Amino acid sequence: VQLVESGGGLVQPGGSLRLSCAASGFTFSSYAMSWVRQAPGKGLEWVSGISGSGSSTFHSDSVKGRFTVSRDNSKNTLYLQMNSLRAEDTAVYFCARSIAVAATWNHWGQGSLVTVSS
Amino acid sequence: DIVLTQSPGTLSLSPGERASLSCRASLSVTGSYLAWYQQKPGQAPRLLIYGAFLRAIGIPDRFSGSGSGTDFTLTISRLEPEDFAVYYCQQYGSSPTFGQGTRLEIK
Repeated sequence: VQLVESGGGLVQPGGSLRLSCAASGFTFSSYAMSWVRQAPGKGLEWVSGISGSGSSTFHSDSVKGRFTVSRDNSKNTLYLQMNSLRAEDTAVYFCARSIAVAATWNHWGQGSLVTVSS
Repeated sequence: DIVLTQSPGTLSLSPGERASLSCRASLSVTGSYLAWYQQKPGQAPRLLIYGAFLRAIGIPDRFSGSGSGTDFTLTISRLEPEDFAVYYCQQYGSSPTFGQGTRLEIK
């Protein structure tokens, strides 16, 4: 199992960014996936989740209406579209594979740093 | 959302000693859907325990989880040098939340 995030970087407040997570080594469409973030020096925070088919999506209250999770099972890729970014969204964003359908994760990517600053 | 409170914030122990980390939930965790993770600096979290007491694949048996309802414990029976890290509990019975972490440091 391999998960590789990309797309992070520096963005101004109010800007947008799209993260990608390329998956390999398993049947991607069979597993729910999530994004979990970690602000510098802080703890972990679940951000968004999506079912294996992509038909169900979930977001934390802190990002609802601003972030959108999606997936392309033909490309084995998970996405996180982040709009209206705020300074408090600055974090390392990890993509993670669920154990079956449960929102707990036994495989993680290395993370992608998003910095929101002017 | 369910708030998870971990204690202590920092635990100072020596290799070979036993460690007990606590995680208390503000509401009962449905189905004992409680997990524990280990995280080392610059690394992604590593799943240790899920379903309150089930060890993830490849996790040594010195790690064990217990508890139900609102009170959960991660026990490391005999600390190895590689066990010194930050540990997080996480509930997934409702919208997922994490505890703030316990730092396990070498005494």
